[in-house]
Amino acid sequence: QSALTQPASVSGSPGQSITISCTGTSSDVGGYNYVSWYQQHPGKAPKLMIYDVSNRPSGVSNRFSGSKSGNTASLTISGLQAEDEADYHCSSYTSSNTLYVVFGGGTKLTVL
Amino acid sequence: QVQLVQSGAEVKKPGSSVKVSCKASGGTFSNYAISWVRQAPGQGLEWMGGINPIFGTTNYAQKFQGRVTITADESTSTSYMELSSLRSEDTAVYYCARDLRDASGSYYYYYYGVDVWGQGTAVTVSS
Repeated sequence: QSALTQPASVSGSPGQSITISCTGTSSDVGGYNYVSWYQQHPGKAPKLMIYDVSNRPSGVSNRFSGSKSGNTASLTISGLQAEDEADYHCSSYTSSNTLYVVFGGGTKLTVL
Repeated sequence: QVQLVQSGAEVKKPGSSVKVSCKASGGTFSNYAISWVRQAPGQGLEWMGGINPIFGTTNYAQKFQGRVTITADESTSTSYMELSSLRSEDTAVYYCARDLRDASGSYYYYYYGVDVWGQGTAVTVSS
């Protein structure tokens, strides 16, 4: 079972919008609506930003949104701010017989 | 608000074992699945396994089968992750995390996403 595929890096200027993709298979992202996204600043534990593909936990800015089309999930951040610069990881439940949960490789977001 | 507090950093020799603890405070422990995730230096997150503390049922990544044991002690609201036969590639930060949904009577380990994370425990494997 391979990790979910994410771009290694994305960048954007303050105020712009960016989208991070997370590509899996019909055994994970495409087959279930249990995709979650995590933000991780250097040296810190991850923080849940999106769950069930598109739901935001209480306290997370509505500038963060999630969606899914086929085997690809996406995280969109609108109105980029300096504090959004971080690593972003996607994860999904998987029906693989070698794993139960699969993560993406992570994407480094740089705010220019 | 529940917090997960993990044990401190460890330095281990190749071939030895490490046991990391994860204690919940300020909230419910038993009703939620606990997952263990690790992150090697400069790498992404990797799921290792998890436990449903109510029944002690576990699920492990095949990659770690036979080397990892995850347990939970309801009386102390603590989960443990023990990894044996350590090698240099096991050098990583190890996290415990609580599922965002309660077990709702589920017998098995489950994962919907995790919303409470421990602070991480750095494990270094070096001769």
